[in-house]
Amino acid sequence: DVKVTQSSRYLVKRTGEKVFLECVQDMDHENMFWYRQDPGLGLRLIYFSYDVKMKEKGDIPEGYSVSREKKERFSLILESASTNQTSMYLCASSLQQNYGYTFGSGTRLTVV
Amino acid sequence: AQSVTQLDSHVSVSEGTPVLLRCNYSSSYSPSLFWYVQHPNKGLQLLLKYTSAATLVKGINGFEAEFKKSETSFHLTKPSAHMSDAAEYFCVVNKGTSGTYKYIFGTGTRLKVLA
Repeated sequence: DVKVTQSSRYLVKRTGEKVFLECVQDMDHENMFWYRQDPGLGLRLIYFSYDVKMKEKGDIPEGYSVSREKKERFSLILESASTNQTSMYLCASSLQQNYGYTFGSGTRLTVV
Repeated sequence: AQSVTQLDSHVSVSEGTPVLLRCNYSSSYSPSLFWYVQHPNKGLQLLLKYTSAATLVKGINGFEAEFKKSETSFHLTKPSAHMSDAAEYFCVVNKGTSGTYKYIFGTGTRLKVLA
């Protein structure tokens, strides 16, 4: 069974900290994505990557960066965490555009 | 521009009765459409997808959806609700033409199943 694994289920960080969210997939998928999910706003795309070392901004990239050094791993970085980045973060991967996504279980991040 | 609207934020049904979750889309070309389900504190799981093949699409757990171009709709249905169907459901449309990887998610419909 294909899997997308997010390293942390719950995280609490302080304002100003640098935060790393890790995502690993075991399906050899080219494409990986980071979304944040907020009540009433649905899912919003932060960044995505369609190849190793390649990245593209999504709809809300401000305050975030990403790293994809290996095909299976896609990291989301909050350079200086702020309280408005408190959210559920979802990682997903996809083989091709119309195959749909496989999602991880999510990381609920609280910034205090 | 592409968009997707889920017409109900909450739906309640009794166990054993039919489920209808409504989704309308806007797209300037032939879209790909998806339904995902999210159980509490879990990630999203793909239920079914439409990619310009058969207009009636069958998914997992007894769900199906029908693509109706004339009505720009992609409603999700199930003949008989089960308690385990209680979850949030998201309708999704692809944002761009072939070669792009962006999707637009609806704001979700929370399904409650009453015993």
